[in-house]
Amino acid sequence: KNQVEQSPQSLIILEGKNCTLQCNYTVSPFSNLRWYKQDTGRGPVSLTIMTFSENTKSNGRYTATLDADTKQSSLHITASQLSDSASYICVVSLQAGANNLFFGTGTRLTVIP
Amino acid sequence: DAEITQSPRHKITETGRQVTLACHQTWNHNNMFWYRQDLGHGLRLIHYSYGVQDTNKGEVSDGYSVSRSNTEDLPLTLESAASSQTSVYFCASSLGRGRVGETQYFGPGTRLLVL
Repeated sequence: KNQVEQSPQSLIILEGKNCTLQCNYTVSPFSNLRWYKQDTGRGPVSLTIMTFSENTKSNGRYTATLDADTKQSSLHITASQLSDSASYICVVSLQAGANNLFFGTGTRLTVIP
Repeated sequence: DAEITQSPRHKITETGRQVTLACHQTWNHNNMFWYRQDLGHGLRLIHYSYGVQDTNKGEVSDGYSVSRSNTEDLPLTLESAASSQTSVYFCASSLGRGRVGETQYFGPGTRLLVL
């Protein structure tokens, strides 16, 4: 069964600290993996995308890694800011079809001063 | 600037009523999608469209319908609202040039409460 699991469900960190969010998936055949950021009351916004051959991708203070062999991805946030408070959703695509996306339930990150 | 909008942003309705949620995008994207988001679940696909006059059922399509009469709009209709349809609904669009897993751009969401 194609599934995407994220951990932890929620996380609270102090401003300025780093954190790492995890995503494990069983989606096959794999096409790509995205991390989305969803601010409260808004729609998700794409942060990074990685294909099978890529094992790291950065977007400012966000760095995503992918291990296609173990089917694991992580999102590392460096020097967190209050504006990083949001839900982070891992989304994995199958190799066929524009609708073949599998969404994780997200990690709720709260950055406190 | 091109964008994707949803209306209304908040809606309260009664069980059994028909409700239509609007979605409008100005990117000229071929693909449009409707999702619902509930606690403990990832985004779940309700319906999607690859172009004008094309509609397809998603994972949780029962009780919902869509129609695509132009490129810009994909309204979602709840034919007879049920309390189980209380949720946050997101519309999304993507370019639709046949590329697998292309980026979807999401609207701000509609929070629907069915009493």
